[in-house]
Amino acid sequence: KAGVTQTPRYLIKTRGQQVTLSCSPISGHRSVSWYQQTPGQGLQFLFEYFSETQRNKGNFPGRFSGRQFSNSRSEMNVSTLELGDSALYLCASSLAGDGNQPQHFGDGTRLSIL
Amino acid sequence: AQSVTQPDIHITVSEGASLELRCNYSYGATPYLFWYVQSPGQGLQLLLKYFSGDTLVQGIKGFEAEFKRSQSSFNLRKPSVHWSDAAEYFCAVGAHSGNTPLVFGKGTRLSVIA
Repeated sequence: KAGVTQTPRYLIKTRGQQVTLSCSPISGHRSVSWYQQTPGQGLQFLFEYFSETQRNKGNFPGRFSGRQFSNSRSEMNVSTLELGDSALYLCASSLAGDGNQPQHFGDGTRLSIL
Repeated sequence: AQSVTQPDIHITVSEGASLELRCNYSYGATPYLFWYVQSPGQGLQLLLKYFSGDTLVQGIKGFEAEFKRSQSSFNLRKPSVHWSDAAEYFCAVGAHSGNTPLVFGKGTRLSVIA
């Protein structure tokens, strides 16, 4: 069974631009979560989607948004990029997002803002 | 809401020595507990999980963890560390209620010296 696939692996953008990151979950998984990982803040939860609906949201500004498609694939968008948005963005999938279900992570997208 | 504390930011051990990484959680009931490992440039990989029952759980790569309710701890152990174990380790807690996202600790970076 294929794992969680994130594309692209690396991105370089400049301030003010916008970016879209993609995540394909494990087949059969309907919950997709996104995390921002930085050296200083660790793993910070962005949002979770289940059946095309945002079910949980972390404490991030509205510049960060996402969506999920009917095949459970998910995209994350960041508009008006800031230097502080440089981070590793991780996507994780699980069957239904319940607390007793392990999350399976992709290798992430490394976003660098110049 | 649940929370997780990993008191050690960085630990250095000699190859062949034993290892214990600390994790303390806060949750009103018996939580779901997880340990993940992250190698450089990669996503998080599940090492082991605790849901209920036997408080000593075995995971992959020779790791084990013990749930101690009285101490609100879920420490990760390995009897003999290998150089390939050098990585970042994350403890996470999941809630029983609803679809609350996993909460991750800030991680412990493990260095292994010869």
